[in-house]
Amino acid sequence: DIQMTQSPSSLSASVGDRVTITCRASQSISSSLNWYQQKPGKAPNLLIYAASSLQSGVPSRFSGSGSGSDFTLTISSLQPEDFATYYCQQSYNTPTFGGGTKVEIK
Amino acid sequence: EVQLVESGGNLVQPGGSLRLSCAASGFTFSSYAMSWVRQAPGKGLEWVSGISRSGGSTYYADSVKGRFTISRDNSKNTLFLQVNSLRAEDTAVYYCAKDRIVGLTNDFDYWGQGTLVTVSS
Repeated sequence: DIQMTQSPSSLSASVGDRVTITCRASQSISSSLNWYQQKPGKAPNLLIYAASSLQSGVPSRFSGSGSGSDFTLTISSLQPEDFATYYCQQSYNTPTFGGGTKVEIK
Repeated sequence: EVQLVESGGNLVQPGGSLRLSCAASGFTFSSYAMSWVRQAPGKGLEWVSGISRSGGSTYYADSVKGRFTISRDNSKNTLFLQVNSLRAEDTAVYYCAKDRIVGLTNDFDYWGQGTLVTVSS
């Protein structure tokens, strides 16, 4: 199985901050990388698919980049509703998720 | 509006079985591959199993292979997960999730609210 490693596992940030989360695959996965947001007690919500494509209805402050084995999720200006846990997931073969990054209020 | 509604979760003893269901509406169910993803309490997401749109191809995580069986009834717009030989480590919320586009893409644009499976004596 392809292992997905996210960093950091948690971070503290303020409203308006630029936030970057990284995800590394244990082998090349081309652009088969997706990002999800999950709030407590809720199901995950797809933000980015195919590494950099914004899912319909997702605010443009979210963006994704990368290919091969290194990927980044960026929130350009953190909003109060963005405090949540973020997961990367590879869809290159049998799906696997990263361990998650919890974004907390500073 | 796309809706996925899971049911069937319960408290079960180690070694026991359950059948989870996911009722789909608001889209052409038979056109999309579907998956089950689980989340243990306080932990991250784990993909468990996937099935092609016809049901002819099924896929499993190593952790559940041989114990879980995924299936679907396209005439009833319902996805199933038969879970057998349950272990304490299977305790989790089980989500059903829809592939984003037609064809097996394994990126999930709609999720149900989840059903809780608790394995304990």
